[in-house]
Amino acid sequence: DVKVTQSSRYLVKRTGEKVFLECVQDMDHENMFWYRQDPGLGLRLIYFSYDVKMKEKGDIPEGYSVSREKKERFSLILESASTNQTSMYLCASSPRGPGDNEQFFGPGTRLTVL
Amino acid sequence: SQQGEEDPQALSIQEGENATMNCSYKTSINNLQWYRQNSGRGLVHLILIRSNEREKHSGRLRVTLDTSKKSSSLLITASRAADTASYFCATDSGNTPLVFGKGTRLSVIA
Repeated sequence: DVKVTQSSRYLVKRTGEKVFLECVQDMDHENMFWYRQDPGLGLRLIYFSYDVKMKEKGDIPEGYSVSREKKERFSLILESASTNQTSMYLCASSPRGPGDNEQFFGPGTRLTVL
Repeated sequence: SQQGEEDPQALSIQEGENATMNCSYKTSINNLQWYRQNSGRGLVHLILIRSNEREKHSGRLRVTLDTSKKSSSLLITASRAADTASYFCATDSGNTPLVFGKGTRLSVIA
């Protein structure tokens, strides 16, 4: 059974803290993605990676960074958490093309920044 | 950049009825995908339709694609309370990551 796991389901942090969100997939996928999901705004892409050590900015990268040191792991880092980063964070992975590639999602991390 | 836009934003139906959700998009695509999200959980892939396909079935799901109108619809037949979820379309334009719409919230009342 293929799986994407995220380190926490719920997380509460204080403004200014450095926050690490971890995502691990066991499907040997090349591509990994971080989204945030807010009511009325849908899913917005923060960063993605097509290979180890590679990263690309998505639509809303400001205030975030990522790390992909191993193929199976993609970390999202909030350098200095702010209240407007309170959100649901979703990680996903997919195999590299060619072909029609669906994304496999983790269960999400609901982050609250106080 | 949001490409897919679902319509309606919310839909409430009785168990046993059919539910239809629509997705419109702006640019040419390789394929269009539909995902489901139960409350507070991750998304689950439901079905994928390629740009050269017009209709696809999977169990109680039927997806249509009209590339001339840049639109797709997802039909869930004989809905069940367990179908209550949010449904998202996502477009694949080839060289960029999937772009998701804002979703339709479906409530199926028993």
